[in-house]
Amino acid sequence: GDSVTQMEGPVTLSEEAFLTINCTYTATGYPSLFWYVQYPGEGLQLLLKATKADDKGSNKGFEATYRKETTSFHLEKGSVQVSDSAVYFCALSHGTGGFKTIFGAGTRLFVKA
Amino acid sequence: SQTIHQWPATLVQPVGSPLSLECTVEGTSNPNLYWYRQAAGRGLQLLFYSVGIGQISSEVPQNLSASRPQDRQFILSSKKLLLSDSGFYLCAWSDPTGGIYEQYFGPGTRLTVT
Repeated sequence: GDSVTQMEGPVTLSEEAFLTINCTYTATGYPSLFWYVQYPGEGLQLLLKATKADDKGSNKGFEATYRKETTSFHLEKGSVQVSDSAVYFCALSHGTGGFKTIFGAGTRLFVKA
Repeated sequence: SQTIHQWPATLVQPVGSPLSLECTVEGTSNPNLYWYRQAAGRGLQLLFYSVGIGQISSEVPQNLSASRPQDRQFILSSKKLLLSDSGFYLCAWSDPTGGIYEQYFGPGTRLTVT
């Protein structure tokens, strides 16, 4: 079945450091890929998405590119801020009958001032 | 614009007591609806999803149940809570017409069973 694997955390960075959170997936066909973010005590928010190969999703300085050849969707940000401290979830869904979204286990990010 | 509400925000219940959590969505029609549970420091566990009124699919057999009495209302229930039911419960919706199925989450209910 479909699955999403993302790097284990926690990831601890200093402010203004470069961020990469790795995500790889296993799926049939061409799923849509997502990154969600969860701030402490809150629900998840959609951060960015990509719906086909080579698409780049971007939002709030975060980027991720849909790589079909490596089945990856790594999240990057050039300069993190303390306010980026949160848990990040990589996820996929299928357009055809894809009622369900498959989530990765989440990666906790701590950014120190 | 669409909004999703959950209540209560926090709940402390004794073992063996009943549970009712409610979720409502505004600003959309015929959404897909979902209940997730998140244990402390863990990922998301899909509990139930619904593609229409009265249509409920269960992902994990347990002492919880779900109902969808109205198009934009989704209720999670239990007759007798267990200690293991403690967690953060999240409701979400997605638009079934777009073919992308990005999900939009509510603020969550933190349940502590004592």
